Amino acid sequence: GQQVMQIPQYQHVQEGEDFTTYCNSSTTLSNIQWYKQRPGGHPVFLIQLVKSGEVKKQKRLTFQFGEAKKNSSLHITATQTTDVGTYFCAGRTSSTLGRLYFGRGTQLTVWP
Amino acid sequence: NAGVTQTPKFQVLKTGQSMTLQCAQDMNHEYMSWYRQDPGMGLRLIHYSVGAGITDQGEVPNGYNVSRSTTEDFPLRLLSAAPSQTSVYFCASSYDRGGTEAFFGQGTRLTVV
Repeated sequence: GQQVMQIPQYQHVQEGEDFTTYCNSSTTLSNIQWYKQRPGGHPVFLIQLVKSGEVKKQKRLTFQFGEAKKNSSLHITATQTTDVGTYFCAGRTSSTLGRLYFGRGTQLTVWP
Repeated sequence: NAGVTQTPKFQVLKTGQSMTLQCAQDMNHEYMSWYRQDPGMGLRLIHYSVGAGITDQGEVPNGYNVSRSTTEDFPLRLLSAAPSQTSVYFCASSYDRGGTEAFFGQGTRLTVV
């Protein structure tokens, strides 16, 4: 069954507004990755978080890994039309190392 | 460096037909996997391989077979296509199992009529 839950499923924002997507796991994760899929494209790796409480930034994107390593978030500040796409989190557990458990994704629409 | 190459990009099958989706990577990656993507369902793991000669089932393996005779290739076989297998299929590879990023192919859009 689905081990990584991701919300919201859809988000529509006006350009310039902020956006956040959240992932929660029922089990402790060894690491979590984030991917972006543009419409009609394939998932592309954005970042990996490994340490408890880790925060990483990529320009307007901020990624966090929870203290218990069971949740994560991606926050985009001042969205742009180029941010359109579906954002997926994907977690690994120590017991099933190698298998990535993907969330269902958050589809972001940005209107000008 | 081509990365992960999937063929074909599009395919239409009739119910009951069989076919093989091809996946090849040129990065000497140990770990390869197949996912299907359906609207609202995210990426669901079909089969995966941790190295040549080793494969295992994911969460939705029924109706699909895989083999890994070489490090580079990881074909996915549909034994008898069904309309429920209409989906977009992605092959992915990563250097190892531990914590490296997954590289995805461009995808195969399959329609079963």
